[in-house]
Amino acid sequence: LAKTTQPISMDSYEGQEVNITCSHNNIATNDYITWYQQFPSQGPRFIIQGYKTKVTNEVASLFIPADRKSSTLSLPRVSLSDTAVYYCLVGDPRGRRDDKIIFGKGTRLHILP
Amino acid sequence: DAGVIQSPRHEVTEMGQEVTLRCKPISGHNSLFWYRQTMMRGLELLIYFNNNVPIDDSGMPEDRFSAKMPNASFSTLKIQPSEPRDSAVYFCASSLARSSGPSYEQYFGPGTRLTVT
Repeated sequence: LAKTTQPISMDSYEGQEVNITCSHNNIATNDYITWYQQFPSQGPRFIIQGYKTKVTNEVASLFIPADRKSSTLSLPRVSLSDTAVYYCLVGDPRGRRDDKIIFGKGTRLHILP
Repeated sequence: DAGVIQSPRHEVTEMGQEVTLRCKPISGHNSLFWYRQTMMRGLELLIYFNNNVPIDDSGMPEDRFSAKMPNASFSTLKIQPSEPRDSAVYFCASSLARSSGPSYEQYFGPGTRLTVT
């Protein structure tokens, strides 16, 4: 059973803000939401992680509503180089031994000029 | 700082041959993961180690696959005998684990693209 659900693909234009939403209806109390970015021919890269409300770093922002059943990765003013696959994962970062890391298929973001 | 190092970057072999993929994790990290990525199945976790000990190998597809971590700075993933359906990109990742379970903040290597003909 998939832990998360994301759109398969999205298109946007350079300079726009892009929001990618992830659904995780069965998120557990101790679970965090983690996002990765993967460029073609490269390994995934950790972007951001959060538990509730809002987290921001130099790359992106992560918005998590109070019920935590979904989250939104926000990329400000995207460029062509942001074209990549974005993965949403949920799990306990303290690492329960029985936890299963599932990347899923991710969201393929295509930035147009 | 050097990131996760994988070798070889590309491997082409014939069906039935033994294949060994190698990984050097980031110094100081105590957790290591092996993944396989294909178009059909996406990115799948095969096995992970904490402190050189295999914790979860439930993702290893079959007995033809084996992984070892003889010390904190080296791991291998071996396929014997290899089959065409093993063709994929194999990634190694490392992290700093704070407990017995898997860490969600992982650092990936560049991958090994394996082609079995």
